[in-house]
Amino acid sequence: AAGVIQSPRHLIKEKRETATLKCYPIPRHDTVYWYQQGPGQDPQFLISFYEKMQSDKGSIPDRFSAQQFSDYHSELNMSSLELGDSALYFCASSPTAFNSPLHFGNGTRLTVT
Amino acid sequence: GQQVMQIPQYQHVQEGEDFTTYCNSSTTLSNIQWYKQRPGGHPVFLIQLVKSGEVKKQKRLTFQFGEAKKNSSLHITATQTTDVGTYFCAGPGAGGTSYGKLTFGQGTILTVHP
Repeated sequence: AAGVIQSPRHLIKEKRETATLKCYPIPRHDTVYWYQQGPGQDPQFLISFYEKMQSDKGSIPDRFSAQQFSDYHSELNMSSLELGDSALYFCASSPTAFNSPLHFGNGTRLTVT
Repeated sequence: GQQVMQIPQYQHVQEGEDFTTYCNSSTTLSNIQWYKQRPGGHPVFLIQLVKSGEVKKQKRLTFQFGEAKKNSSLHITATQTTDVGTYFCAGPGAGGTSYGKLTFGQGTILTVHP
């Protein structure tokens, strides 16, 4: 079965650089979520999109922005990177059916040096 | 804001022993979900509980949702090495409109010694 695809799997950036993470949801899933997971931490909700519109916002820094495109893929843009941004970034998708579970991608491990 | 507390943080068991992790919310939850994350992996959905007092079983795993819908537990009978991972409970995030805006518990890291 098709899964959520994230790219790249690993990314190394220096402080103050920018990074773009991509997410391709499962076909026919119209809702995309971004989560950040620090080392040894639980996933923290960043932002979500439904039908290409932002639906919810969590603890996402102003330096981060995201969007969902017409093909439903999503990109998380991160600027002025800080050491503390080093984390696993997961994208998850779900259909809009009520109580549908989240399907997580394999994540992008971002390391800021 | 809403908090979801999970205990214990770590659990080391011998293969064949039972394991239980507990989840408590500061607010009443409309539902609670459980996810498993293997080392180096991503969270994988296990189950969702919706009804007060609900009990669901998946083979050796038993999930319970409290009567007040503020606590939940996951019990694994006769653990196996394949059960290794971090188990997270998650509830709907406060003020969210998206079903998938979740507040996760801190997770319980389970290690199983053969």
